[in-house]
Amino acid sequence: SQTIHQWPATLVQPVGSPLSLECTVEGTSNPNLYWYRQAAGRGLQLLFYSIGIDQISSEVPQNLSASRPQDRQFILSSKKLLLSDSGFYLCAWERKGGQEETQYFGPGTRLLVL
Amino acid sequence: KQEVTQIPAALSVPEGENLVLNCSFTDSAIYNLQWFRQDPGKGLTSLLLIQSSQREQTSGRLNASLDKSSGRSTLYIAASQPGDSATYLCAVSWFDGANNLFFGTGTRLTVIP
Repeated sequence: SQTIHQWPATLVQPVGSPLSLECTVEGTSNPNLYWYRQAAGRGLQLLFYSIGIDQISSEVPQNLSASRPQDRQFILSSKKLLLSDSGFYLCAWERKGGQEETQYFGPGTRLLVL
Repeated sequence: KQEVTQIPAALSVPEGENLVLNCSFTDSAIYNLQWFRQDPGKGLTSLLLIQSSQREQTSGRLNASLDKSSGRSTLYIAASQPGDSATYLCAVSWFDGANNLFFGTGTRLTVIP
């Protein structure tokens, strides 16, 4: 069976500090990977997606970046956090296929920037 | 602009009641539509997925319908239970190179025992 892990579960960081959130998937290969953010009072917003190693697409301009150094590893980073980066970050994976494919979400990382 | 809207934002019902959650979307050329459940502080769990050529999907007490022409989907929950209390999210994909999902802001459901 497939599982998706995210860590850390919770993170409190000062403004201007760097960030690294990690997401790994087990039990599948060559998945599509996604990073979403859920800010307080707002819906889930897609940040990045990846269809393969080192293939990253960004959906919104921001001070965040993403990398996929291995097939089942997706990393979300920032060099300098802003207050507005606070939120709940969710990683998701999906099999490559057709319209019938759903996305499977990780447990999320709650980030508070102070 | 592709947008997904959900109403109501919150809903409280007594246990045993049947209920309907609504989702509307701009641009009828969707790829698929999904309903997810999110418990407080947790990730999302997929409930139902409707492909663009389908009209509805059912799983247990849940039934989701899709009307592309009107840009609407509904999630019907029969005989609601306290364990159904959660936030329900509607997500639409218009497939722009990947199955990117656009989410509504959700309906927070409380089922009162």
